[in-house]
Amino acid sequence: QSVVTQPPSVSAAPGQTVTISCSGSSSNIGNNYVSWYQQLPGTTPELLIYDDNKRPSGIPDRFSGSKSGTSATLGITGLQTGDEADYYCGTWDNSLSAVVFGGGTKLTVL
Amino acid sequence: EVRLVESGGGLVQPGGSLRLSCAASGFIVRNYFMSWVRQAPGKGLEWVSVIYSGGDTHTADSVKGRFTVSRDTSKNTLYLQMHSLRAEDTAVYYCVREERGVRGTFRFLSLWGQGTLVIVSS
Repeated sequence: QSVVTQPPSVSAAPGQTVTISCSGSSSNIGNNYVSWYQQLPGTTPELLIYDDNKRPSGIPDRFSGSKSGTSATLGITGLQTGDEADYYCGTWDNSLSAVVFGGGTKLTVL
Repeated sequence: EVRLVESGGGLVQPGGSLRLSCAASGFIVRNYFMSWVRQAPGKGLEWVSVIYSGGDTHTADSVKGRFTVSRDTSKNTLYLQMHSLRAEDTAVYYCVREERGVRGTFRFLSLWGQGTLVIVSS
């Protein structure tokens, strides 16, 4: 069981907006940066959001990140079929002295 | 081009050993914290081990005493030596570059290799 939890799956129609939550504690999310990674089917994870809410160059502004207290959220607007992927949040855990990931959320674009 | 290329994966029997390599190009490995992250088939991501820029290492409890991370600065290459392998070690192993803040605070994983598959089975 991961110390950081995500919903196993979310779904929405093309063009709609979806949010994916990432819940932790003061040992991790509450006092450390959160990043998000997108893993398209059969590919390597790719950085999507870093430092809670920043986007690397090349990532469209349809993707956004936010954090409040011990929870973080990934938002995706204008959903496209190409957004179907697994999404992982990642952060540092002070108690474990390790990088921890959420269990991953599978996004289905109906 | 900045990239990481893993190699060394394969089929190994339970109790066996394997050494994974990760060749870096476009940047200097010793200037970064470098990690190994694995993903079991159909499962999520699991951090395995890190080597700090200063050379110290830290390993997840699940593999402590069995896995060792190291680097060869002359070859700009990262390694993961794995011993006493178990079926639950079966996974794709990714070499990953970390980004840290000024006081070593973890920020994010900026660069991933393509991964190398390790299968532990008799």
